[in-house]
Amino acid sequence: GNSVTQMEGPVTLSEEAFLTINCTYTATGYPSLFWYVQYPGEGLQLLLKATKADDKGSNKGFEATYRKETTSFHLEKGSVQVSDSAVYFCALSSLTGTASKLTFGTGTRLQVTL
Amino acid sequence: SQTIHQWPATLVQPVGSPLSLECTVEGTSNPNLYWYRQAAGRGLQLLFYSVGIGQISSEVPQNLSASRPQDRQFILSSKKLLLSDSGFYLCAWSAGGDGYTFGSGTRLTVV
Repeated sequence: GNSVTQMEGPVTLSEEAFLTINCTYTATGYPSLFWYVQYPGEGLQLLLKATKADDKGSNKGFEATYRKETTSFHLEKGSVQVSDSAVYFCALSSLTGTASKLTFGTGTRLQVTL
Repeated sequence: SQTIHQWPATLVQPVGSPLSLECTVEGTSNPNLYWYRQAAGRGLQLLFYSVGIGQISSEVPQNLSASRPQDRQFILSSKKLLLSDSGFYLCAWSAGGDGYTFGSGTRLTVV
């Protein structure tokens, strides 16, 4: 079946540091890949996505490239801010009949300090 | 524009009591609807999804059930809550493609 593996957190960085959160996946076919962000006490928000190999998703300074050869979709940001502190989820979508289903990783908590 | 409403935001219930969480979507027709649970320290697990009124697919055996009495209404229920039902419950909808929109979630604590 499909699965998503994320690096264990928490990740603690100083403001303006470089961020990488690793994500690898196992899936049949060609899934779309996503990063969602969950701020404290809130639901999930879509951060970025990529729908095919070599696509790069980007938003708010974050980016991730769909690497089919390494089955990876690592999240990066060149300079994090305190406001980026949140839990980040990597996910892939698969089609079942007429419904797409998201399979999530376990989430990585990012804590950015001054 | 499409919006998704989920309530209540927080809930504390005793073991053995019933549960009903409601989710409604506005601004779209015939959405695919989903219930996810996020247990403490764990990722998101798909519990149920629905592609139409009265059509419910269960992903994991559990103490919960779901119903879709109307096109844009999705209800998560339990007859008797267990301690292990505690968690953060998220409703989501999609138009059938890859795009999901999540509700703001319900934090359930079973005591």
